[in-house]
This record gives sequence, structure tokens and C-alpha cells, in this order.
Amino acid sequence: AQTVTQSQPEMSVQEAETVTLSCTYDTSESDYYLFWYKQPPSRQMILVIRQEAYKQQNATENRFSVNFQKAAKSFSLKISDSQLGDAAMYFCAYRSYSGGGADGLTFGKGTHLIIQP
Amino acid sequence: DAGITQSPRHKVTETGTPVTLRCHQTENHRYMYWYRQDPGHGLRLIHYSYGVKDTDKGEVSDGYSVSRSKTEDFLLTLESATSSQTSVYFCAISEEQSYNEQFFGPGTRLTVL
Repeated sequence: AQTVTQSQPEMSVQEAETVTLSCTYDTSESDYYLFWYKQPPSRQMILVIRQEAYKQQNATENRFSVNFQKAAKSFSLKISDSQLGDAAMYFCAYRSYSGGGADGLTFGKGTHLIIQP
Repeated sequence: DAGITQSPRHKVTETGTPVTLRCHQTENHRYMYWYRQDPGHGLRLIHYSYGVKDTDKGEVSDGYSVSRSKTEDFLLTLESATSSQTSVYFCAISEEQSYNEQFFGPGTRLTVL
């Protein structure tokens, strides 16, 4: 079974600064997908960014980028120019490739990101 | 936003009472999932469905059953609710391919007294 570990229960950053959230995972599979989800106080789960394991290039979405290190099984999220609206819980998630669409996501326990004005 | 609704959005019930949560989608996606979210645990998969009448267990399926008689509806039933099932329940949907993201519903907060 796969496991996802987020070692930072809480992070704080000044507005406009850059912050990096850590995620490591354990798997014996070679093909899989990794995701970062954001959960603001509204409770809605919002996809931030997605990475396919077979792609060496790190995914980017505007101010959000990842550092994907497959050999180290590490998948960190970097948020540049932090904004007050970025304050939320952030979850790292893993999805197997082999199960087709039948596999659910395996989530980490989350990192609570605080943005200081 | 993906067309996913959950009902009810909030529910308070007593131990031993049966409870059914409904997830309804308008996207015609094949895969549907139920997760629970608890402090310190993130989200954990309860059950999932890969088609009408096709369901399977997830990581924390004990005490839960599911049914899917139509593509658009996925029901989660707690046959006899316990206080340990107090949680926030999320439904999610996904298209055929693995790489597609899962779209989440707004969640249902269930309190079992």
C-alpha cells in the first residue's frame, strides 16, 4: 500500500514571500500521479497542481510549482508571491496508474498554511 | 465547477440510527468515491464505484455500505451510526483515465451523538 507523508503540520509565511510545502511518499510502483489539493475554510477541495511520474519536467501553474524527485520519492509544492487567499490546508495525494480510474487517492495528513499580512 | 452535490450538508443523529448520505453528479463520470476527513488523518477512502452496481471497498470501509443504481447517484449508508463515524464526508468523481483529477463535492458534516 502506498503512504503519503507531510511532515509540516503548519507553516507560516509573510505575504509576497515564497514558501515550500514538503511531501514524501512510499510506493513500489513506477507509474503514478501526484497531486496537491487546497482546502480553504469553505471546506471545498480544489486541485492546485498535478504531476505525472513519467514526466521529468516539474509541473507549474502560475505561482505554484513542484519539485518532483522521483528517486527520492519527494514532491514539494512551492508557492511564490504568497497571497492572503493562499491561506488554507494543503494536501498531497497519490494515485496509482495501474488501477485505471478505479483507484482512490491516498492523502497525506495536510499542512496548514498561514499567510501573515 | 464540476456538477457534484451532496445531501444533506449537515446532519446530527444518534448512535444506532441508520444514516444515508447522497452524492449526485451531472457530469456522467464513471467513477465515484466516498472519503471521510478527520483531524490528523487527511482524507481516507471508504468505498468507490467503477460503474452502475459495481462497487468496492476502500481503506476504511467497516461500518459502511454503498449503492449505485444510476450513473449519477452514489449512496453511502451507515447501518447503525456510531460516534466514531462523526466526520466530514466527501464524495468525488473522476473520468476514465487515471491521470484525470478527482472532483470533490462540498462535503457533509455528520455528527453522531
